[in-house]
Amino acid sequence: GAGVSQSPSNKVTEKGKDVELRCDPISGHTALYWYRQSLGQGLEFLIYFQGNSAPDKSGLPSDRFSAERTGGSVSTLTIQRTQQEDSAVYLCASSLNPAGGGEQYFGPGTRLTVT
Amino acid sequence: GNSVTQMEGPVTLSEEAFLTINCTYTATGYPSLFWYVQYPGEGLQLLLKATKADDKGSNKGFEATYRKETTSFHLEKGSVQVSDSAVYFCALSDRGDMRFGAGTRLTVKP
Repeated sequence: GAGVSQSPSNKVTEKGKDVELRCDPISGHTALYWYRQSLGQGLEFLIYFQGNSAPDKSGLPSDRFSAERTGGSVSTLTIQRTQQEDSAVYLCASSLNPAGGGEQYFGPGTRLTVT
Repeated sequence: GNSVTQMEGPVTLSEEAFLTINCTYTATGYPSLFWYVQYPGEGLQLLLKATKADDKGSNKGFEATYRKETTSFHLEKGSVQVSDSAVYFCALSDRGDMRFGAGTRLTVKP
């Protein structure tokens, strides 16, 4: 596909369960970003990958959140022991040349609902 | 650290009115600046960008000028349309470190 894809598109889970969200960036894009967008709120930066390494993990809200990227491509964001406040839309974006001001291309997001 | 502050919304205008959405930034380096737009029911997409001081980004009648002296990147449009109703996000990228403002919801009424 030509764009950033994310799966699942919707996820409903019970409080306390673990969830895994997946992002497939545009082929060849070296940079990958995860954001969280709560209802009516702006974009909250979570984590950024350059290749497989994450130079900036400062946005992860707690140690229940982790992310990895393998092969410089697919990334997974894992939330352990989910809480109701984790309910949000999780957005992934990729970029070809972030250091040079490259545009970010966003995926459609995963809507997570914790009941 | 790097951050972006943009005008709080919501903003409601009549069709053909002039639009300004203010955006200021704080950055340790020399960032690139962006405006992204999120139309109802759609994903975020780039509206315009500027990569160095005094550059002007423009698209779909929108403009923003990178002002280093005032650390600003205000979004303007001379005559808004109903179809411009959306949420607008100001953002900066400093060597890959990307930060977004909180977003400003614009509603344009006919």
